This record gives sequence, structure tokens and C-alpha cells, in this order.
Amino acid sequence: EDQVTQSPEALRLQEGESSSLNCSYTVSGLRGLFWYRQDPGKGPEFLFTLYSAGEEKEKERLKATLTKKESFLHITAPKPEDSATYLCAVYGGSYIPTFGRGTSLIVHP
Amino acid sequence: EAQVTQNPRYLITVTGKKLTVTCSQNMNHEYMSWYRQDPGLGLRQIYYSMNVEVTDKGDVPEGYKVSRKEKRNFPLILESPSPNQTSLYFCASSLWSTGVGNQPQHFGDGTRLSIL
Repeated sequence: EDQVTQSPEALRLQEGESSSLNCSYTVSGLRGLFWYRQDPGKGPEFLFTLYSAGEEKEKERLKATLTKKESFLHITAPKPEDSATYLCAVYGGSYIPTFGRGTSLIVHP
Repeated sequence: EAQVTQNPRYLITVTGKKLTVTCSQNMNHEYMSWYRQDPGLGLRQIYYSMNVEVTDKGDVPEGYKVSRKEKRNFPLILESPSPNQTSLYFCASSLWSTGVGNQPQHFGDGTRLSIL
């Protein structure tokens, strides 16, 4: 059974204070790890896809990395508008994704 | 504008009264799916459809039905809703290719169902 654990559950940062969110996974044959951002009252919005260990993707202040056991979402010099819940999902041997519970990020001005 | 549209956005109803939540996408996506999101549990897939001919169960299909008669529409049907189906529901769609595999999903803005 595929498993995804995200940590921390909640994170409060000051504007400009860089940090990382963690997504640890157990899956039989990773076929893709996805990061999404979810704002209150909205559906998840796609950020990144990673397929193999060592892969990295960047978008503005966000950078996603992948190892064989975990993925990190690094946030550099965050701004208040980066406040959201960040979700991690993996596809293993089936067509059904397994989502983590998410990390709620609040960035204070 | 590329989007996934769900209706209604909010619904309060009573146990046993059949209801349908509609989902439509305008991106010509093959793959569509339904999720429920509950506090502390994360998103869980209810049903998915890889095309108009293939629909299959996700992790939590009990009490739900789906239909995929057209490529763009994928309604979620609760024949006899119960209080434990009170939740936030999301429809999603994505491209699909057996060669490429899983692609990023585009989500609707959700339907909040309350079953009394």
C-alpha cells in the first residue's frame, strides 16, 4: 500500500524566511510525484511533477527536489501570497494517486 | 479559459434523497476523476475514468456511482446519501497517455455537501 507523509502539518514563517516542506513516501515503483498548492475555497493547483531521484524543478520562489524516499519543496524568501496548503501526491503501481494530508503554510508580512 | 466546472458548489440535503453533482471540463482531457477531502485524511479518490469506455473504482467508491457518456462530463451520483458522505468533493481532469502515464490534474473548485 502506497503511503505519503507530509511534515510539518503547519508552518509559520516571516516574510523572507526561507524553509522547506517535506514529503516522505513509500511506493512500489514510483511513476510520478506531484506537488499542488491549495488556497482556501479552491481546488488544488498543480505546481510540479517529479519522476526520478535527483530531479529538480523550479518556479519563482519554489524549488522541488526528489530522492528515492522523499521530496522537498523549498521556499526561498517567501511572501504572504505564498500562504496556502501544499499537497504532495504519488502514483505507484496503480492509476490511483495517494495524497498526503498537506502542510499549511502561513507567511507573515 | 481552461477549467473544470462543478455544480452545485454547496448543497445541504437529507439522508436518502438522491443527488447528482455535475462536472464538466473544456480541455478535451481523457482522464477524469472524483475525490473527497476530509479533515485529517487528505484527498481520496472515489472513481476515475480513463476515457468514455473505461471507468473504475478508486480508494473509497462505496455509496457512489459515476457515469461517463461524453468525454467532457463526469457526474457523481449519490443514490441514497448518508451523513458519512458529508464532505468536500473535487472533480479533476488530465491528459492521459499510456506511454507517458500520469499527468498533472486540473481540479474544480469543489462542492461542499452536507447530508443531514
